[in-house]
Amino acid sequence: AQSVAQPEDQVNVAEGNPLTVKCTYSVSGNPYLFWYVQYPNRGLQFLLKYITGDNLVKGSYGFEAEFNKSQTSFHLKKPSALVSDSALYFCAVRDTILTGGGNKLTFGTGTQLKVEL
Amino acid sequence: NAGVTQTPKFQVLKTGQSMTLQCAQDMNHEYMSWYRQDPGMGLRLIHYSVGAGITDQGEVPNGYNVSRSTTEDFPLRLLSAAPSQTSVYFCASRPSGGSGNTIYFGEGSWLTVV
Repeated sequence: AQSVAQPEDQVNVAEGNPLTVKCTYSVSGNPYLFWYVQYPNRGLQFLLKYITGDNLVKGSYGFEAEFNKSQTSFHLKKPSALVSDSALYFCAVRDTILTGGGNKLTFGTGTQLKVEL
Repeated sequence: NAGVTQTPKFQVLKTGQSMTLQCAQDMNHEYMSWYRQDPGMGLRLIHYSVGAGITDQGEVPNGYNVSRSTTEDFPLRLLSAAPSQTSVYFCASRPSGGSGNTIYFGEGSWLTVV
């Protein structure tokens, strides 16, 4: 079975400071990993994904994430936070060993990012 | 490019009423799915479809029905609404051809059952 953990319900950062939103995962095979962002009363927007290749993945809005296989982590990072980055962030995983068809992404419980002036 | 379109955006139902949440995508995606989002629980898969005429259950299918008569449409039916179905519902789609393909979400449907 696949699972995702986002250990922090909320992360507070001052604008201009670097931010990290943590994500760890568990899969049987190799993982496909995704980050999504959700603004209030909106749907989830795709930020970035890791499929294979370079461990550092760059995505939308200046975000990046680092895949660490030994630590089974895929933390989301941004060098300089903006107030407009305040939103709910979801990490998701799909195992490369499939037990059935379909969009079987498993999502974390979400981390609320609050960036303050 | 409309992407994934859900209607209605907001709905209030009385216990026992039925309704259908509509979902349409214009990207010719084979895979479509419905999730519900509840506080502290992330997104949970209700039902999914790998193509027209094919549907299957996800993690939390009870109380919901789906059908997939066309590639574009994937409606979610609540047969007899219960307060436990108060949630935010998201339809999603992705192309076939690889599990690494990105899922695209609709804007969500906020449902309250009283």
